This record gives sequence, C-alpha cells and structure tokens, in this order.
Amino acid sequence: SQQGEEDPQALSIQEGENATMNCSYKTSINNLQWYRQNSGRGLVHLILIRSNEREKHSGRLRVTLDTSKKSSSLLITASRAADTASYFCATDADRGSTLGRLYFGRGTQLTVWP
Amino acid sequence: KAGVTQTPRYLIKTRGQQVTLSCSPISGHRSVSWYQQTPGQGLQFLFEYFSETQRNKGNFPGRFSGRQFSNSRSEMNVSTLELGDSALYLCASSYGLTGLPYNEQFFGPGTRLTVL
Repeated sequence: SQQGEEDPQALSIQEGENATMNCSYKTSINNLQWYRQNSGRGLVHLILIRSNEREKHSGRLRVTLDTSKKSSSLLITASRAADTASYFCATDADRGSTLGRLYFGRGTQLTVWP
Repeated sequence: KAGVTQTPRYLIKTRGQQVTLSCSPISGHRSVSWYQQTPGQGLQFLFEYFSETQRNKGNFPGRFSGRQFSNSRSEMNVSTLELGDSALYLCASSYGLTGLPYNEQFFGPGTRLTVL
C-alpha cells in the first residue's frame, strides 16, 4: 500500500520546545499534506507541499519534503499546550485513477506539557 | 467561506439497522471523499465522488454506498450495520481537478457512529 508512516508514534515535550515529526511514504506523489486532529474530532488542514517543493513555512510550522528519500518532516517551533493533538501526513498518488484519495499514516501523538 | 459540514454529529444505532450520513462541501468544491477512522485500522478511504459520479472506491463491502447530488452535497449509507462499523466517519471536500497547483482536502468535524 502507499500508506505513509509517521515517526515517532508519540512525542512528549515541554512548552516552548520544538517538535519534529517525520513521515515516510512508498510511491511517487503529487502532494503531501499534514493534518492535525484533536481527540476524536475532525482533521484540520495544516499545510500542503507539492512534489517539486522542498520546504514550506506557515506561522510556527515548517515542512520539508525529500522526494528522493520519500520522506517529509513537520517542525512545530515554540510549541504550546494547545498544540497537543495527533498529527497525520497524507499523500496522494501520482496517478490520475486515484484522484480524491489520500493515503494516511497512523499519526504521531504530540503532548505538550505546560 | 463556510467549512465542510457533516450531519448528524453523533448517531447510535443497533445491529442490522441502516444509517445515512450527510456531508456538505465547501462552496465551489466538486469532490467529496469519505473516510472511516477507527483505533484499530486508522483512517481508511471509502469512496470519492466528483460531479455526481463515483470516481474512486476503497476496499469496503457493498453495504457501504454513497451518492452525490447536483449541488455537490454527498450522502453515505451503511446498511445492515455491524458492531465493527462503529467509527468516526469523516468527509473531505476539494476542487478535485487535475492540473491545479494545489488541491487541498478539507475535512468536516465527522459523524461519530456507535453500533450497539
């Protein structure tokens, strides 16, 4: 399957520290997206990075993409307790027949302690 | 712009019953995708509709079906409910077109289905 895999499965840090989560995937992609999910609720879209981009920033978020290694990382700087959530990466597939379908990993559970 | 809305938010059913979930996409979006999320299996793709046509389908039994209306609103139906169908059902909307520089999928809050 093309399912992404996040690493680590769980991450626990103090407020003010940086949090880094990694994602690996298996086949070529058009885009990779990161989402946040608070306990049992919907997915909040954080950022999309295209396959021809290497880095994107959005506020305290920094995403990198290395298509040669089929991996991405999400960095949250100066974390806050409100960042506590599960974080998922989602990839599409570089094939038209899979339009509209995203492949998700199992997520990283981030806990930020005040 | 209003976000993706899903109704109902919570649902309790018994085995053997059927259920219909509704999803209203962001205005202008023509693609609606459905996902099932469970602790054991994670997020799994059910199907995707674009302009009233099912364009893509995941590996779920025929008890799971859907449709899309001309205003892009979508419904998902599960017949003959089983205990294992208890899950958070999420829908996502996007423009769904190739060739766009970005094609983010935005998710609704989900419908929590409990089957007793």
